[in-house]
Amino acid sequence: DAKTTQPPSMDCAEGRAANLPCNHSTISGNEYVYWYRQIHSQGPQYIIHGLKNNETNEMASLIITEDRKSSTLILPHATLRDTAVYYCIVLSGSQGNLIFGKGTKLSVKP
Amino acid sequence: ETGVTQTPRHLVMGMTNKKSLKCEQHLGHNAMYWYKQSAKKPLELMFVYNFKEQTENNSVPSRFSPECPNSSHLFLHLHTLQPEDSALYLCASSQDWGRKLFFGSGTQLSVL
Repeated sequence: DAKTTQPPSMDCAEGRAANLPCNHSTISGNEYVYWYRQIHSQGPQYIIHGLKNNETNEMASLIITEDRKSSTLILPHATLRDTAVYYCIVLSGSQGNLIFGKGTKLSVKP
Repeated sequence: ETGVTQTPRHLVMGMTNKKSLKCEQHLGHNAMYWYKQSAKKPLELMFVYNFKEQTENNSVPSRFSPECPNSSHLFLHLHTLQPEDSALYLCASSQDWGRKLFFGSGTQLSVL
């Protein structure tokens, strides 16, 4: 059973912020939200993860709602190279393996 | 460059062949993984090794046989495959069975 729900596809204009939503309404207290992306024909790449606080790194920001039932990955200034499938994954901090769903295919357009 | 190297990048084999995929990581990680990605399907976890011990076998057919001789190397031995086994095979590693996985570029396998 899927733990996360993501839109199948999104478009974003180059240079604008890309906001990718993820619903995880059944998340439990010890489960983290992870984001990965996969550029065509390459292996997935880790982006960011969080538990309840917002997180930011050199690639993106992760905003988690107060009730933790949804989150948004933000790419502040999308480039053409950010075109990829983005996966939102919910995972316990102590057990389980990384299981990928269908993700969101983000197309960044000039 | 992720520090995880997979060879070969492409492989074409017949159904009666035996071949092996190789994965090597230079990150000092203790856990290694095999994933399969068929066309237009999500990644499927196949095997997990933690400190060289297999901790997960996700109901994978016996024609796929993993081997982990040490924490830096992982093999996937293939024999009598079927055309539906054609896929991108991805190797990954992580520190102490963590969640931050580093993936290789994969081996694109075609079974004729």
